[in-house]
Amino acid sequence: DAGVTQSPTHLIKTRGQQVTLRCSPKSGHDTVSWYQQALGQGPQFIFQYYEEEERQRGNFPDRFSGHQFPNYSSELNVNALLLGDSALYLCASSLMGVSSTDTQYFGPGTRLTVL
Amino acid sequence: AQTVTQSQPEMSVQEAETVTLSCTYDTSESDYYLFWYKQPPSRQMILVIRQEAYKQQNATENRFSVNFQKAAKSFSLKISDSQLGDAAMYFCAYTNDMRFGAGTRLTVKP
Repeated sequence: DAGVTQSPTHLIKTRGQQVTLRCSPKSGHDTVSWYQQALGQGPQFIFQYYEEEERQRGNFPDRFSGHQFPNYSSELNVNALLLGDSALYLCASSLMGVSSTDTQYFGPGTRLTVL
Repeated sequence: AQTVTQSQPEMSVQEAETVTLSCTYDTSESDYYLFWYKQPPSRQMILVIRQEAYKQQNATENRFSVNFQKAAKSFSLKISDSQLGDAAMYFCAYTNDMRFGAGTRLTVKP
């Protein structure tokens, strides 16, 4: 049973560039959430996708956008990168079901460094 | 805004001993879920234990158990018979709005 996978593992970009991170959910899951985790801090919720729609969004600017595909995989796009966007980006998948707060399973993360 | 507070940035425990990590949260909702996640240096977040707010019984998973006090909005994690592999960052999470605490770094001494 494949768990949550993310690519790439590491990424280095310069200020002003754009980046796309990818996530494949755990088999059987239909919901993908994205988090930003700065060094030494807890994850901060960016947004959640379900049925190819953004269902919930945290306090992140519009430079952060996403997409979910029919196979439930997801992308996180960040435009006009800032130094402060350097962080570990975590993807988590879950099954929406009756409850919207089912258990989330996390991927290994993508480490983004902005120079 | 809902908040999740972990008041212990660092904790240390002797191998085979018991340690309790604290978490408090703020919510006006009556139905919600609480989780503890473990993040080793390898960085992958691993689910430790889950508690449903409508359940009175405290969740238990092998050596891990919680003390859930709904009225006090407290959700502590007890690790019994600590092992070297338990060393990690531990995060408390309230997932109605995907909120995590700042984490507690647990060190296990041999």
